Amino acid sequence: DVKVTQSSRYLVKRTGEKVFLECVQDMDHENMFWYRQDPGLGLRLIYFSYDVKMKEKGDIPEGYSVSREKKERFSLILESASTNQTSMYLCASSLGDPWGEQYFGPGTRLTVT
Amino acid sequence: QQQVKQSPQSLIVQKGGISIINCAYENTAFDYFPWYQQFPGKGPALLIAIRPDVSEKKEGRFTISFNKSAKQFSLHIMDSQPGDSATYFCAAISGNTPLVFGKGTRLSVIA
Repeated sequence: DVKVTQSSRYLVKRTGEKVFLECVQDMDHENMFWYRQDPGLGLRLIYFSYDVKMKEKGDIPEGYSVSREKKERFSLILESASTNQTSMYLCASSLGDPWGEQYFGPGTRLTVT
Repeated sequence: QQQVKQSPQSLIVQKGGISIINCAYENTAFDYFPWYQQFPGKGPALLIAIRPDVSEKKEGRFTISFNKSAKQFSLHIMDSQPGDSATYFCAAISGNTPLVFGKGTRLSVIA
């Protein structure tokens, strides 16, 4: 079974702090994704990566950056956390084909106070 | 044109009934249409998917119906059970591009 793990289930940070969310997958998937999930807004793509050291902006990249130094690990960075970044963050991975068959981690609920 | 519109937002179905969730899209380049199921406190999980060369796909109690000319697809859950209570997301994708998700339907199956 594919396993996608996220470093924390719950996280509370203060406004202005730098926040790191880590995601690791164990199935040698090329593609990795970061989403945020908010009530009524569904899943919104922040960034994705189709190869090591490659990254592409999704629909809502502002205020976020990412890092992919190793194939299995994809990190989401909030350079200066703000209260409007309070959300559920979901990481996913997929093989090369189809991209649509994604495996999600359990999510990190981030609260910024 | 990249949107996938999903309805209803929420749905309450009696145990044993049929749950139907609908999605519509505009981009005719979409070539893969998955449905994801998400239980509270968990990440979404792929439930069933269809490609546009077939009109229906069935896996157990779950069926996707696909209408290419109308650019619509739907999820039917037969004999709905309380354990099916979850949020369901339809999605669409075109080749090697990110998934486009619908906004989700919260299904409650009551006994």
